[in-house]
Amino acid sequence: DIQMTQSPSSLSASVGDRVTIACRTSQSIHNSLNWYQQKPGKAPMLLVSGASSLQSGVPSRFSGSGFGTDFTLIISSLHPEDFATYYCQQSYSLPYTFGQGTKLEIK
Amino acid sequence: QVQLQESGPGLVKPSETLSLSCTVSGGSISPYYWTWIRQPPAGGLEWIGYISNSGSTNYNPSLKSRVTVSVDRSKNQFFLKLTSVTAADTAFYYCARLVVVAGECDWFGPWGQGTLVTVSS
Repeated sequence: DIQMTQSPSSLSASVGDRVTIACRTSQSIHNSLNWYQQKPGKAPMLLVSGASSLQSGVPSRFSGSGFGTDFTLIISSLHPEDFATYYCQQSYSLPYTFGQGTKLEIK
Repeated sequence: QVQLQESGPGLVKPSETLSLSCTVSGGSISPYYWTWIRQPPAGGLEWIGYISNSGSTNYNPSLKSRVTVSVDRSKNQFFLKLTSVTAADTAFYYCARLVVVAGECDWFGPWGQGTLVTVSS
């Protein structure tokens, strides 16, 4: 299985801050990397597919980048509704696997 | 727009079979792949398995011996069966559409709201 490691596991930030979440994979997955946002009591929601393609309706303050084994999700200016847990997920090979999550909390 | 809703017992006894349904509304189930994902309370996400638009299945090797995913296209529903459950199978179970496009990255969406299944006697 491809192992996914996110960093940091948790992060405290303020509204307006720029935030970077990293995801590293145990082997190259080219650009087969997705990012999801999960709010408490809700299902995850897709933000970015294919490492950098923003889903329709997702604010442009979110962006994804990376290729191979190192990927990044950036929120350019935090809004109050962005405080949530973020997961990366690889689709390069089965079984699909997820990172352990990054919990973004209000400072 | 497509919406998914899980249903099934919230409590299952150890060694018994967990059975869940997912009803798809707002679109036909036929053209797509459908999948199950679970998340222990306060835990991370684990992919369980999928069924394709042709009816083929693929399962996580960690669960493969105990999992069956099936579909009833006439009812726009798909199903999860997990046998011989233990407390370790206690989790929120989500159904989701799996978008598979040749040459592109597969992704999950939309998801159902999730249903908590507790394994306990």
